[in-house]
Order: sequence, then C-alpha cells, then structure tokens
Amino acid sequence: GAVVSQHPSWVICKSGTSVKIECRSLDFQATTMFWYRQFPKQSLMLMATSNEGSKATYEQGVEKDKFLINHASLTLSTLTVTSAHPEDSSFYICSARSHRGDNQPQHFGDGTRLSIL
Amino acid sequence: QKEVEQNSGPLSVPEGAIASLNCTYSDRGSQSFFWYRQYSGKSPELIMSIYSNGDKEDGRFTAQLNKASQYVSLLIRDSQPSDSATYLCAVRGNNAGNMLTFGGGTRLMVKP
Repeated sequence: GAVVSQHPSWVICKSGTSVKIECRSLDFQATTMFWYRQFPKQSLMLMATSNEGSKATYEQGVEKDKFLINHASLTLSTLTVTSAHPEDSSFYICSARSHRGDNQPQHFGDGTRLSIL
Repeated sequence: QKEVEQNSGPLSVPEGAIASLNCTYSDRGSQSFFWYRQYSGKSPELIMSIYSNGDKEDGRFTAQLNKASQYVSLLIRDSQPSDSATYLCAVRGNNAGNMLTFGGGTRLMVKP
C-alpha cells in the first residue's frame, strides 16, 4: 500500500516553457502533499506544502508565482513550473501523507527530472 | 545548528558487517522519526519508522531512538552491496503542518 505516482518522470524542454507535474496517491487519501527539489549531490529541499482545498504554503525563497501548486482533490496535487529556465533544471519529488493521522510517514513519488535547454 | 544532523560520509563497510548510521535532532518535542533510503537518481523510500524510545527491528534493519539524548540511529546487519545508498533521517517535530525535517543524509558504501 501507500503508493504515490508522479508523472512525467522526465521532461526536456525549451527555455520559457511551462511544465506541469502531477502527483497522485493511488491507494490512500492524502490531505497533505509536499513538493521537494533536489540538485545533484545535495539533500532534499522542501519547496511547499500542499493542503487539499486550500492554498499551498511556500518555503522561504520559493516564488509562488513561479511554482504554481494546485491540490484540488485528496488524491491529486500538481506543480506547474511557469516559464522555466535552465536554472530550474532539477529533480522534483512529491510526497504524500495519509489523512489518517499526523504520525503517518510520507511516501514519495518516483520524481520528475526536469531539464531546461 | 541544523535541526536534523547526519554525518555526510561516505561510511564504508565491508560486505557482511554491521553498518551504523546516526542522526541527532534539535527539537526536543519531536515525536515521529523515519529513515529513508535514496539510491542515486531515485526518490527516497521509507525503510523504518519509530515513535518510542528503544529499538525497533525489521529484518536486517534496527532503528534505535533515545529521546533524552535526541538521537536516532539505524543499524543494518549483514550489509550487502545493494545497501549502498544515501540514508536520510527525517524527524517530525511540533512545527506547523507537521512537516518532516530531513537531515542531509549519510552515504553508505558496502564493499564486496
């Protein structure tokens, strides 16, 4: 159980393109989903916390107009990187936590590798 | 001081040995502790969770928690080359949103 599906797994596109990444909890309901970014050989950096039905909470230094997050249902959150530039190239990973309680672990999607040319 | 600290390694152990990974945290009110394994280029996967003081065993893995010392560890018995990965310690404290705070990870290398 506790499967999180993330799509697409790899994106290569031109500078200026907007890219949408989907994160789905397949076998549980997730009131909270998290979006992380990870640069090569560095640790996970939390970008934002996404709560179903409300606005996302962004970490300091993360532009909310650049990284649009929508969490419209208990099983789906999306991250849109608007007008992506080469410096946005990174490994983006979502995670979800079951609605059953605050003690539940976070389960990660497989990640999306974004390469902006 | 970082909220969750881990030695970045690499920690090198021979195949068959016990690998010991350590993590300290600063939030004394933390209640939930997790160990994740991350292979290069992949996303983290949950290995163990521990919530109360003492040891918790699952197969070759044992998590140890000492809240008084604010210390959590992961032991891997009979280490295999396939255990070579970065191990992330994650702590859920009394923060808004009950987010996990991750350590920087310890890179483990198991040599055949």
